[in-house]
Amino acid sequence: DAKTTQPPSMDCAEGRAANLPCNHSTISGNEYVYWYRQIHSQGPQYIIHGLKNNETNEMASLIITEDRKSSTLILPHATLRDTAVYYCIVRVRHQGGSEKLVFGKGTKLTVNP
Amino acid sequence: GEEVAQTPKHLVRGEGQKAKLYCAPIKGHSYVFWYQQVLKNEFKFLISFQNENVFDETGMPKERFSAKCLPNSPCSLEIQATKLEDSAVYFCASSQSGGVNQPQHFGDGTRLSIL
Repeated sequence: DAKTTQPPSMDCAEGRAANLPCNHSTISGNEYVYWYRQIHSQGPQYIIHGLKNNETNEMASLIITEDRKSSTLILPHATLRDTAVYYCIVRVRHQGGSEKLVFGKGTKLTVNP
Repeated sequence: GEEVAQTPKHLVRGEGQKAKLYCAPIKGHSYVFWYQQVLKNEFKFLISFQNENVFDETGMPKERFSAKCLPNSPCSLEIQATKLEDSAVYFCASSQSGGVNQPQHFGDGTRLSIL
């Protein structure tokens, strides 16, 4: 079962920052937070991940609260092409192998002109 | 290659026929994952491989589904005696190595339609 809770939908104006929240109140100390998005019917696209520190890359920033029970994905200047379903996933650290991803229902972000 | 390549993009089969889907992982990636997306937002994990070896098959329906990753060949997912409920988009993903700090990268999927 997915260990995250996200709002089903959000809207954002083009050019503004999009802040997508995610609750993961049962997260354990060895579990990472991952963000993916799915545009139309394409394959999920990896965005960013983190353990406890804030992270930034060319696509987005990830802010994780100090207690790690929630996080926010920030798209600093949203464009129409950022319209997609965004998935927040908690991933267990597993020694010796790679864990599957457990997707929830995600947040449908619509960027409006 | 630099991307996960899945073929075919679309596959149509009559109920009871066999369906075979292929996945070429990113070059240098040793882990391969298969997922099924039936409804728009719902993903189900099927199976994962570490090179040619099955790593986790807890999501695989036991009776009609099988998968392989052989050296120097694309990985494959095969469904025998397809049913209407097998209609879905099947995604393959690969990652460079084991470890939770390695993201999985997805292909664009194969849309399977069972008539």
